[in-house]
Amino acid sequence: DAGITQSPRHKVTETGTPVTLRCHQTENHRYMYWYRQDPGHGLRLIHYSYGVKDTDKGEVSDGYSVSRSKTEDFLLTLESATSSQTSVYFCAISAVQGGTTEAFFGQGTRLTVV
Amino acid sequence: DAKTTQPNSMESNEEEPVHLPCNHSTISGTDYIHWYRQLPSQGPEYVIHGLTSNVNNRMASLAIAEDRKSSTLILHRATLRDAAVYYCILREGGTSYGKLTFGQGTILTVHP
Repeated sequence: DAGITQSPRHKVTETGTPVTLRCHQTENHRYMYWYRQDPGHGLRLIHYSYGVKDTDKGEVSDGYSVSRSKTEDFLLTLESATSSQTSVYFCAISAVQGGTTEAFFGQGTRLTVV
Repeated sequence: DAKTTQPNSMESNEEEPVHLPCNHSTISGTDYIHWYRQLPSQGPEYVIHGLTSNVNNRMASLAIAEDRKSSTLILHRATLRDAAVYYCILREGGTSYGKLTFGQGTILTVHP
């Protein structure tokens, strides 16, 4: 599992409140990613990071911000949660494994905005 | 990223081979073909990838058409644990391996 831990695993929050999701990795990987997955859809990239303090936007970045102050932690913040941000959020890293470079995903965080 | 087209769903019986097709007619010369699968309630996991030649690993085989406009993921003997959503993804060579563009994938159902 490439040492990826997402927290919390489940969260229910109210519209308009800030929410921060954490992705923690133990193996010093440079690249980290946040995706969201909605019912009947594949994953969509929100933001990614290519090093400490180096981040960039993905396909669906509106309403989200990220921070990476340490190699091991990549935080996703919803500044003011909306119902449209109810989703399952996956963190990923990319790493060399068995001679190839692969993406490894966390178990996901199910976020419900009511 | 170039687009891929996969059937919405496929069914198989346990211990039979499964061939999952993917069309990618707009693939560029530097695009790698990746396959990931997502088991229920889990994050996606890497299955296999290739560029031009057919590839084999412990999980599956990847057959790539000579013109690279299509590919087929082959599970040689399906098990119940192979029931998942399978994603065929094109990734531009030289860019980050985790920056993937997912389509809707193929839902594989395996019958006992």
